Amino acid sequence: DTEVTQTPKHLVMGMTNKKSLKCEQHMGHRAMYWYKQKAKKPPELMFVYSYEKLSINESVPSRFSPECPNSSLLNLHLHALQPEDSALYLCASSQEVGQGDYGYTFGSGTRLTVV
Amino acid sequence: EDKVVQSPLSLVVHEGDTVTLNCSYEVTNFRSLLWYKQEKKAPTFLFMLTSSGIEKKSGRLSSILDKKELFSILNITATQTGDSAVYLCAAGGTSYGKLTFGQGTILTVHP
Repeated sequence: DTEVTQTPKHLVMGMTNKKSLKCEQHMGHRAMYWYKQKAKKPPELMFVYSYEKLSINESVPSRFSPECPNSSLLNLHLHALQPEDSALYLCASSQEVGQGDYGYTFGSGTRLTVV
Repeated sequence: EDKVVQSPLSLVVHEGDTVTLNCSYEVTNFRSLLWYKQEKKAPTFLFMLTSSGIEKKSGRLSSILDKKELFSILNITATQTGDSAVYLCAAGGTSYGKLTFGQGTILTVHP
């Protein structure tokens, strides 16, 4: 299995809702990442997990809450989002954080719309 | 602050043409330069470059890095309509695990 699987593929949520995005990989990778990509913009790093511990938080608002329950799974919990948070949320993984430069594997993303 | 700039921002060509995409970077403690192709959703990995002057090739695509002048190019020869995509350049530097992406080049190949 050489894939990163993200669910759901599409999500529409209201500003008062609580939802979660899920990311799963079975490649034995120990580093996992969340990126946010707005339309016609490049991906921007949000969080990095290394060996299930949060190692980088790029000053992301607390309405985004990451969680890494085990080495294969990465969640992003969403609460009280704003319409400007609408974007494509990409998960990625790599063997180790130090090897993240050597080509992440990206998931196909969750397209989030906040109404 | 780390910065990656790509040019041109968009390019329209006909099948069979050769294109060159440019990427310049300013990254503290530079480690690597990566190229990705993004169609509808996930970026797909093309090349990773760490050493100057060594060309990487994959079929009709090739890429090279110049660490002295801080840039990389991605060449696509004999373009096909399936090459139409956004091509992203990204650089890894001091902050392990973080890639800084350029804005991307939108390539459109007409039949």
